[in-house]
Amino acid sequence: SAVISQKPSRDICQRGTSLTIQCQVDSQVTMMFWYRQQPGQSLTLIATANQGSEATYESGFVIDKFPISRPNLTFSTLTVSNMSPEDSSIYLCSVASLYGYTFGSGTRLTVV
Amino acid sequence: AQSVTQLDSQVPVFEEAPVELRCNYSSSVSVYLFWYVQYPNQGLQLLLKYLSGSTLVKGINGFEAEFNKSQTSFHLRKPSVHISDTAEYFCAVGDSLSGGYNKLIFGAGTRLAVHP
Repeated sequence: SAVISQKPSRDICQRGTSLTIQCQVDSQVTMMFWYRQQPGQSLTLIATANQGSEATYESGFVIDKFPISRPNLTFSTLTVSNMSPEDSSIYLCSVASLYGYTFGSGTRLTVV
Repeated sequence: AQSVTQLDSQVPVFEEAPVELRCNYSSSVSVYLFWYVQYPNQGLQLLLKYLSGSTLVKGINGFEAEFNKSQTSFHLRKPSVHISDTAEYFCAVGDSLSGGYNKLIFGAGTRLAVHP
C-alpha cells in the first residue's frame, strides 16, 4: 500500500494566522482526501482533491477557509486560514489504492 | 449519499468476555467497509476490511466482522477481549461508484473500555 509523509506533525499557531499542511505520497494516486478530527470526535471529511481539478468540499467546509492544492499525482497541501481556537484539531490526509485507504500520521494543530 | 451509524458510543466489558461493536451503513451503491482502531494519542490503524468475496472477514488482534447486505450491517466481534483492546473503534464506508475508491465516511466511533 502507499506510504504517506505528512508535515508538520504538530504546530501551535496564533489566531488569525494560516498553516499549510503537506502530504507527499510515494506513488501516484488519483484521489487524495483531507479529514479533520476534532478533540474526542470522529473523522470528518473536509474535501476530495483530484489532480488537475478543483477540490470538492463537503458540506460545512469552504475553499476560502481550507484552500487545497493538488499540483501532481503525489502531492497535496491543505491550508487552514485565518485560524481560531475552534480549528484546533488533528488534520489527516488519505489516499485510496488497490488495497484500500492509507492515512497520513496527522497534523496536531493547536490555535492559541 | 452514504452514512454510517455506530449504535453504541461506549461499550464497557470485562476482560476475557466477548464483545460486539455494532455498525450499520446506508448506501445506494456497492460498498467497501472498514474497521479502524485508534489508541489514545495515536493514529488510525486498520483492523479489517470488506472489499468483496466472503462476508466473514478476519482482521488483526483476533477481531472479525461479518458483512450483512440485507441488514446493511458490519458488526465487529472478538470472542475474548484484553485490557489492551481498550481504544476507540471507527466503522467506515466507501463506495465503488465510477470504478475506483471514493471518499470514506466514518461513524462517530465506539469507545471500548475493558475492565479487569
